[in-house]
Amino acid sequence: ETGVTQTPRHLVMGMTNKKSLKCEQHLGHNAMYWYKQSAKKPLELMFVYSLEERVENNSVPSRFSPECPNSSHLFLHLHTLQPEDSALYLCASSQVAPGIGGTGNQETQYFGPGTRLLVL
Amino acid sequence: QQPVQSPQAVILREGEDAVINCSSSKALYSVHWYRQKHGEAPVFLMILLKGGEQKGHEKISASFNEKKQQSSLYLTASQLSYSGTYFCGTVVNFGNEKLTFGTGTRLTIIP
Repeated sequence: ETGVTQTPRHLVMGMTNKKSLKCEQHLGHNAMYWYKQSAKKPLELMFVYSLEERVENNSVPSRFSPECPNSSHLFLHLHTLQPEDSALYLCASSQVAPGIGGTGNQETQYFGPGTRLLVL
Repeated sequence: QQPVQSPQAVILREGEDAVINCSSSKALYSVHWYRQKHGEAPVFLMILLKGGEQKGHEKISASFNEKKQQSSLYLTASQLSYSGTYFCGTVVNFGNEKLTFGTGTRLTIIP
């Protein structure tokens, strides 16, 4: 148990569906992240939020829409996805976000268990 | 640019030792090591900051060589529970760069 929870754990959706992934952290951290993990690829950073403001968007297609209503919750809204979007989506949190004046220790990220997404 | 990990995969018998390397083309500020078991979240193992230190955690330790822009993770007398994929994440510049992960090293321990 890392203090970061994600729901749902598994999701199957069609290309025309709209769904949302939820992440919650109980660590009092100020930064939250979405990553995509595909087979045999490194973790791909998608979005970074620091104190509820988006500080990074790594050229992610607009069919992925993040939302951070407060520092403990992070959502990823999905619509009109493609089969190649099937992957494990991981949420993480850290005390501060990189580039916001933290030290290496404060940037240590704690991951949730992920949502395994299959797009048909 | 992502760090390069080697080897990509390794199979060991219980009790054997392993070394996993993480190399960067840029000067490193910090290196973070994680382990991910199948179907689970990556779990933080340790962080090494610029300064060439070595850290230990039970029978798992790591070193950080600034000159070589490289970190190595050492697993001694491996146990079955050490199986998983090990990722290194690197920060190349204090306050200005994000954590970038390598492709991982898959470690399998057999009895």
